[in-house]
Amino acid sequence: NAGVMQNPRHLVRRRGQEARLRCSPMKGHSHVYWYRQLPEEGLKFMVYLQKENIIDESGMPKERFSAEFPKEGPSILRIQQVVRGDSAAYFCASSQDILNQVQTGPYSGNTIYFGEGSWLTVV
Amino acid sequence: AQSVAQPEDQVNVAEGNPLTVKCTYSVSGNPYLFWYVQYPNRGLQFLLKYITGDNLVKGSYGFEAEFNKSQTSFHLKKPSALVSDSALYFCAVPPPYALNFGKGTSLLVTP
Repeated sequence: NAGVMQNPRHLVRRRGQEARLRCSPMKGHSHVYWYRQLPEEGLKFMVYLQKENIIDESGMPKERFSAEFPKEGPSILRIQQVVRGDSAAYFCASSQDILNQVQTGPYSGNTIYFGEGSWLTVV
Repeated sequence: AQSVAQPEDQVNVAEGNPLTVKCTYSVSGNPYLFWYVQYPNRGLQFLLKYITGDNLVKGSYGFEAEFNKSQTSFHLKKPSALVSDSALYFCAVPPPYALNFGKGTSLLVTP
């Protein structure tokens, strides 16, 4: 049972280029989350998606960043015109479809499982 | 807003000694609380979670956490630390969709 798969593991981009990070959730999971980990800053939530829908993008920078989770294929985090400050580790996580779980609110206590991360370096 | 705080940036403990990594929470309603561990250059691994029930939650790798409602704490513990436990530990709470993480506590276990 494969876990959350992220690729590439390491990506180097020059300033102004585009970075595309891919995430395939665990089998049976239809909820995807993207986080960013900057040196000395901890793990910050970026966006939460379900298939074909963005549910919460409150942590996404307003410009240059976008995310999608199409009906078929992996979730993509896209960073346009990268700058040095975008250098970070980007983690994807997934969880089960909460509709199958007892709900006491929007979050039902499902465990979120993380991929190994994609390390973006902007030079 | 749902949040957690990890008051210690680093915890040092000798191998074989008990360890505690602290976490306090601020939530409305019933808290769901999580602990994750991150080894260098790796993703986060789930250790344990508190949803409801017993205040002492047992998790992976011999770790456990004690939920204390009066002190709004969810400290991670292990009776006997191993050098291989050295890693970054995160406490987290879900508000309302994804997990919000503390800033992390670096645990160093020395031989």
